Amino acid sequence: NAGVTQTPKFQVLKTGQSMTLQCAQDMNHEYMSWYRQDPGMGLRLIHYSVGAGITDQGEVPNGYNVSRSTTEDFPLRLLSAAPSQTSVYFCASSYRSQTNKPQHFGDGTRLSIL
Amino acid sequence: AQKITQTQPGMFVQEKEAVTLDCTYDTSDQSYGLFWYKQPSSGEMIFLIYQGSYDEQNATEGRYSLNFQKARKSANLVISASQLGDSAMYFCAMREGGWTGNQFYFGTGTSLTVIP
Repeated sequence: NAGVTQTPKFQVLKTGQSMTLQCAQDMNHEYMSWYRQDPGMGLRLIHYSVGAGITDQGEVPNGYNVSRSTTEDFPLRLLSAAPSQTSVYFCASSYRSQTNKPQHFGDGTRLSIL
Repeated sequence: AQKITQTQPGMFVQEKEAVTLDCTYDTSDQSYGLFWYKQPSSGEMIFLIYQGSYDEQNATEGRYSLNFQKARKSANLVISASQLGDSAMYFCAMREGGWTGNQFYFGTGTSLTVIP
């Protein structure tokens, strides 16, 4: 009963380093997304995907890359980490285009950029 | 314009009392879904309740109910008989239908504190 699995749970990076946040789901959901959560700003959409090979930008995509080679996996790449990217990152998944289906969230990744 | 607006950054409620968390939304779609999530201090996002735009009755899930007023575009969450464990952040979200029906839009959240 894994649901949405995010790794790592915590990470500290130095400015300029790159890294990949992993996200995997086992519910055969077409739609996957990445959010960042900052105090007072709710959840802001970074990138999303509606299926393997299809990705699109959300509200705050700069500094992040994504790819979707399989239905299950949707990694988020930080190309050159900046202190402004210090945040909590959530991956979520759901069925595509079904307005009555909620998103399922991973437990989040707390990322600090020094 | 914001798709989801939550105007209460923080709310307090006495234990065992009811509390209403406000949410208004903006959409021109006829088909959409409204969701509420709870985020306790441990950080995970917990789905609470769903309301469809075509649902004629307000959704209920245990102590949670959704006061859906379509004409006013509001979808307020009502928590009855508050418990200490209800202290958390609460987020309202919407998913629109139609060919673009993929993105979820979230509000900025309301922090609820239950006072013993």
